[in-house]
Amino acid sequence: QSVLTQPPSVSAAPGQKVTISCSGSSPNVGNNYVSWYQHLPGTAPKLLIYDNNKRPSGVPDRFSGSKSGTSATLGITGLQTGDEADYYCGTWDSSLSAGVFGGGTTLTVL
Amino acid sequence: QVQLQESGPGLVKPSQTLSLTCTVSGGSISSGSYYWSWIRQPAGKGLEWIGRIYPSGSTNYNPSLKSRVTISMDTSQNQFSLNLNSVTAADTAVYYCARDVWGYRDGYFYYMDVWGTGTTVTVSS
Repeated sequence: QSVLTQPPSVSAAPGQKVTISCSGSSPNVGNNYVSWYQHLPGTAPKLLIYDNNKRPSGVPDRFSGSKSGTSATLGITGLQTGDEADYYCGTWDSSLSAGVFGGGTTLTVL
Repeated sequence: QVQLQESGPGLVKPSQTLSLTCTVSGGSISSGSYYWSWIRQPAGKGLEWIGRIYPSGSTNYNPSLKSRVTISMDTSQNQFSLNLNSVTAADTAVYYCARDVWGYRDGYFYYMDVWGTGTTVTVSS
């Protein structure tokens, strides 16, 4: 059981937009910054978003992040087949004094 | 360009200790700007944060694993290590090491910006 809750899967057609939610609570998402990772099977996870909405150099602006209260959202526009992957949210939990992840969301581009 | 590479046995017997090393290249592990973490992913499951270490030796561990985990650092080798004792089949996973960015502004900011490629560890007799 993950501390952060994500939908198990989302899907959309190429070119469309999709959002992935990440729900937490006050000690984690509610009071700390959220990051997002893209994970393709057999590869290292890749940082997509940090500090709720900042993109590392090289990450396309098709990827965006936002946060409101105890929930965060990853948005992906202009979906491509290459975006098919597992996506994870993460943050620091001040009560646990530990890093926490969501359970992950599998994106299918139909 | 900082790179991380995990190494260690791919097979560990139940009740024994799992030991992995992460070798950092392209940067110093003792620079003081980063933490160094271990994360794992059991087959078919999500990412699980194991713990991390700061160059000062300060550590944080996942409460669910804390009684079995030790993370240490060898700055002379530019490496950090994971020891997980009393392993069971539930510890079978791909293990990743990563570089952490952590701090506080108006809330904690925390993310892993560089990851190793991962190493598979199977617990079986």
